[in-house]
Amino acid sequence: RKEVEQDPGPFNVPEGATVAFNCTYSNSASQSFFWYRQDCRKEPKLLMSVYSSGNEDGRFTAQLNRASQYISLLIRDSKLSDSATYLCVEFNDYKLSFGAGTTVTVRA
Amino acid sequence: EAGVAQSPRYKIIEKRQSVAFWCNPISGHATLYWYQQILGQGPKLLIQFQNNGVVDDSQLPKDRFSAERLKGVDSTLKIQPAKLEDSAVYLCASSLARFGEVVNEQFFGPGTRLTVL
Repeated sequence: RKEVEQDPGPFNVPEGATVAFNCTYSNSASQSFFWYRQDCRKEPKLLMSVYSSGNEDGRFTAQLNRASQYISLLIRDSKLSDSATYLCVEFNDYKLSFGAGTTVTVRA
Repeated sequence: EAGVAQSPRYKIIEKRQSVAFWCNPISGHATLYWYQQILGQGPKLLIQFQNNGVVDDSQLPKDRFSAERLKGVDSTLKIQPAKLEDSAVYLCASSLARFGEVVNEQFFGPGTRLTVL
């Protein structure tokens, strides 16, 4: 079983819409979680960390549900520039494990 | 501030040939990582260095892959001999976090796109 699993999408949404997606993780001892963003043919970049209490950064909100072992990312008021692949990442056993990513395409 | 540098950006080789990739991390970052990202998948950690020591190479196919970071700064990843399934993007990353510390952020280089024919 993969450590981190994501719905690959794609999620095709119009500009201004809200889009949300989850990722599940298998190891209940995982210490920290992150969302990374990867544009087509580019390197991953940190979008935000995910805290137990949930956190918000502008239009982006991340939530952690330890009981059900999933994390979520919500994007409000989607922009064309939000089109990317969003990688769910867990930190456990001294290393990061990446999901395969969820692709979001925002259309005009 | 300069980011993580990698070269070459692209490489095409035939199976059974050898290839090497180079990475120069962000200045002052003690920890360096090499990842393999196959199309449609997330990055998979191959090896992690802290300074010039290996702290995790559990997912490195050691029969054909090798890596070194002799002076604790730049690093080289080698594949010898290459197989078709090695076609992927090889990403180098660095971070301030030391082994065992929670990683706040890893900074990735642009990657080397390897095609094995």
